[in-house]
Amino acid sequence: DVELVESGGGLVQPGGSLRLSCAASGLTLRNFWMSWVRQAPGKGLEWVANIRQDGNERYYVESVKGRFTISRDNSQNSLFLQMDSLRVDDTAVYFCATLLYGEPRWDSWGQGTLVTVSS
Amino acid sequence: QTVVTQEPSLSVSPGGSVTLTCGYNSGSVSTSYYPSWYQQTPGQSPRTLIYNTNTRSSGVPHRFSGSILGNKAALTIAGAQADDESDYYCMLYLGSDSWVFGGGTKLTVL
Repeated sequence: DVELVESGGGLVQPGGSLRLSCAASGLTLRNFWMSWVRQAPGKGLEWVANIRQDGNERYYVESVKGRFTISRDNSQNSLFLQMDSLRVDDTAVYFCATLLYGEPRWDSWGQGTLVTVSS
Repeated sequence: QTVVTQEPSLSVSPGGSVTLTCGYNSGSVSTSYYPSWYQQTPGQSPRTLIYNTNTRSSGVPHRFSGSILGNKAALTIAGAQADDESDYYCMLYLGSDSWVFGGGTKLTVL
């Protein structure tokens, strides 16, 4: 079975940093574009970032450009999101997901990890 | 500012049909935006229902269908069941750096 497991969430002060990880099993991550999608408490879904299979194309929602960096380590079947200069409005559950770019749609989703930015 | 609009809430009777819509503040929704639909129950991850306007994901019951109705994308549930009570999100692909979800529709089956 395909499984995506996020980790690295937690409580951080405004201006701080966190690094999220997404470990994949049951699929070979190098075959997929990957995404991070977030959901603020009680709110809707918001796309955050995409990364191509080889890591050489990356795209971000405007609100995180210059602060977040998506990356991947295909040898470890893992995806990452480095989050710097965190703001209160970055508080959300962050999901990783496989992206079928040609269709385009998300296919497999992780269970999410909660990031809380608060003083 | 790009805004994708959905009905905040809808209700349907068990066995009935309901249509959720997905609009775009900059014009009509077309197939070139590859509308997709996601179902989410509280505390769970999203589940992909429909992609590329009208293609059902693997395992999705045939009572879920997607289309373009007028100037909006639409998700129709025919013969609603109790476990269809969920939040539903549409998503429009507006470019490589613009993947925009609607605000979601809370569907009640009662």
